[in-house]
Amino acid sequence: GENVEQHPSTLSVQEGDSAVIKCTYSDSASNYFPWYKQELGKRPQLIIDIRSNVGEKKDQRIAVTLNKTAKHFSLHITETQPEDSAVYFCAASYSSASKIIFGSGTRLSIRP
Amino acid sequence: GAGVSQSPSNKVTEKGKDVELRCDPISGHTALYWYRQRLGQGLEFLIYFQGNSAPDKSGLPSDRFSAERTGESVSTLTIQRTQQEDSAVYLCASSLDRSRETQYFGPGTRLLVL
Repeated sequence: GENVEQHPSTLSVQEGDSAVIKCTYSDSASNYFPWYKQELGKRPQLIIDIRSNVGEKKDQRIAVTLNKTAKHFSLHITETQPEDSAVYFCAASYSSASKIIFGSGTRLSIRP
Repeated sequence: GAGVSQSPSNKVTEKGKDVELRCDPISGHTALYWYRQRLGQGLEFLIYFQGNSAPDKSGLPSDRFSAERTGESVSTLTIQRTQQEDSAVYLCASSLDRSRETQYFGPGTRLLVL
């Protein structure tokens, strides 16, 4: 079945630096890859997603890249700020009838 | 409009009791998910409803767990004979249709089994 691996599990970066979180997926038919951010004590919220017909998508300081050949996708956060501190989850889905599979999460801490 | 709502927000119960958790998805959303999130852990998939299709129950951890959904409306997650390891936040999410759309999460129900 579909499996999504995410790393690192924890990441600490200096404010202003960039952060990169990577995920790999097992099913080559996967074609939808969302990223969710969960702040402490709050619900997960979608921050960006990418579909398999594009290789990169950007939204201000956040970008996601997709390498279908290697079956991995990454989240890039530039110019990190304290409010970026949260747990980030990647996910993958391969068909309209299948469930979304989440990675195990990355706890990102931004050092002042 | 209104987002996904869940009730109760907190539930404390004694070991061995049954509990019922409720999720009200966004109106018109055909897909509905239940997840379990233990403290400091990731999202553990429990069950997925998609329209009138048979639900995907592959994530339910034991036969003490069950869920129902009537049409495209409210869903209830029932845990029978609760155990201490069932203590967690139970999150519900809905999406417009299909699993390839944005999931909107509810605030969760924090369950504590004493």
